[in-house]
Amino acid sequence: AQKITQTQPGMFVQEKEAVTLDCTYDTSDPSYGLFWYKQPSSGEMIFLIYQGSYDQQNATEGRYSLNFQKARKSANLVISASQLGDSAMYFCAMREPYTGTASKLTFGTGTRLQVTL
Amino acid sequence: DTGVSQDPRHKITKRGQNVTFRCDPISEHNRLYWYRQTLGQGPEFLTYFQNEAQLEKSRLLSDRFSAERPKGSFSTLEIQRTEQGDSAMYLCASSLYSLGSGGPEGLAQYFGPGTRLLVL
Repeated sequence: AQKITQTQPGMFVQEKEAVTLDCTYDTSDPSYGLFWYKQPSSGEMIFLIYQGSYDQQNATEGRYSLNFQKARKSANLVISASQLGDSAMYFCAMREPYTGTASKLTFGTGTRLQVTL
Repeated sequence: DTGVSQDPRHKITKRGQNVTFRCDPISEHNRLYWYRQTLGQGPEFLTYFQNEAQLEKSRLLSDRFSAERPKGSFSTLEIQRTEQGDSAMYLCASSLYSLGSGGPEGLAQYFGPGTRLLVL
């Protein structure tokens, strides 16, 4: 069963507008972490934002915020005031459990965001 | 503060040849990971080290693949007898783990630029 689902293969947004990239996840572990990464055409994965399953508040990092709805098992990324440089692939990833020796990230298939003028 | 570096950035080889990739993590990071990414997919976990110990290997890591981190610093990933299906981007990442570490600083993995492998 797919653990991370990103249903939007591609998204367009106009410069200066906000955009939401969807991510749903599946786990039976109560302790997990959710990450968003950006991958420009150069290939490097850039860490954007993190949300722990026990965090009471939604994570924010500059123009990035995470809309975490635990009961729905969704962790959508919101990018405010889009810029041309935001055009890239965006990946949602999960680490379970939250701490301990298990360490690998499981990634979704990504969403390609294109910011237009 | 230098990031994760990988060498080479690109590699073209013929089927059946052996290839070796190198990863240099962020200097204070004790965990190092290898992932493989094929076109249109997210990265898939291959293996990871804590210091010099290899703690987990994916079933994706066939016996043609071997990874080492002999001194707990840089790591190498070797693929023997390459096949066309090995063509992919090989990504290395590192993180700093300590008991009780939580939050993004302790859990986020920081990736290198990747090595793109093409097997002809």
